[in-house]
Amino acid sequence: KQEVTQIPAALSVPEGENLVLNCSFTDSAIYNLQWFRQDPGKGLTSLLLIQSSQREQTSGRLNASLDKSSGRSTLYIAASQPGDSATYLCAGPSNSGYALNFGKGTSLLVTP
Amino acid sequence: DTAVSQTPKYLVTQMGNDKSIKCEQNLGHDTMYWYKQDSKKFLKIMFSYNNKELIINETVPNRFSPKSPDKAHLNLHINSLELGDSAVYFCASSRGQGQYGYTFGSGTRLTVV
Repeated sequence: KQEVTQIPAALSVPEGENLVLNCSFTDSAIYNLQWFRQDPGKGLTSLLLIQSSQREQTSGRLNASLDKSSGRSTLYIAASQPGDSATYLCAGPSNSGYALNFGKGTSLLVTP
Repeated sequence: DTAVSQTPKYLVTQMGNDKSIKCEQNLGHDTMYWYKQDSKKFLKIMFSYNNKELIINETVPNRFSPKSPDKAHLNLHINSLELGDSAVYFCASSRGQGQYGYTFGSGTRLTVV
């Protein structure tokens, strides 16, 4: 069964710092991986989707990488801002497809 | 236009009641899902439907019954509500098995008192 783990569980950084969130998965046959953001009391906003054929995806200050051989993905946030404070979730497809398995998330706080 | 919409956004009800949550997507996707986010914020799949057919039923109590009248709608009916059903329920949709990603609704916060 595909299991997804996220480290760290919580992170606090001062504004302006670059930071990396980590995600690991057990099934290297993964065909894509998706990063989401969840603000308190809100839904999930898709940030980046990386296909297995890609190694990186970028959107603004966000860059996500995928290394299937090591079972890892990272989300890099450049020049962090207080508005980046949220929970970041990574998710990969289940072994059967037709479902996403989520990590438990990294709660990020960016302080002014 | 909202891509995946759920109603209601909040639902407070007493134990033993029956309630329904509705979900609609206007993305033209053929697969829809229900996820449950518990008090520890962990998201877990409950059901997935592809072209109105049940694909995944993840050991959810029989009190939960999804219904997909068409590809754009997936409703969740819950009988005999229990305190432990209190959670946030998210609807999502994708094309096929999610090769092009998933889109989530904004969630329904269910509180059973």
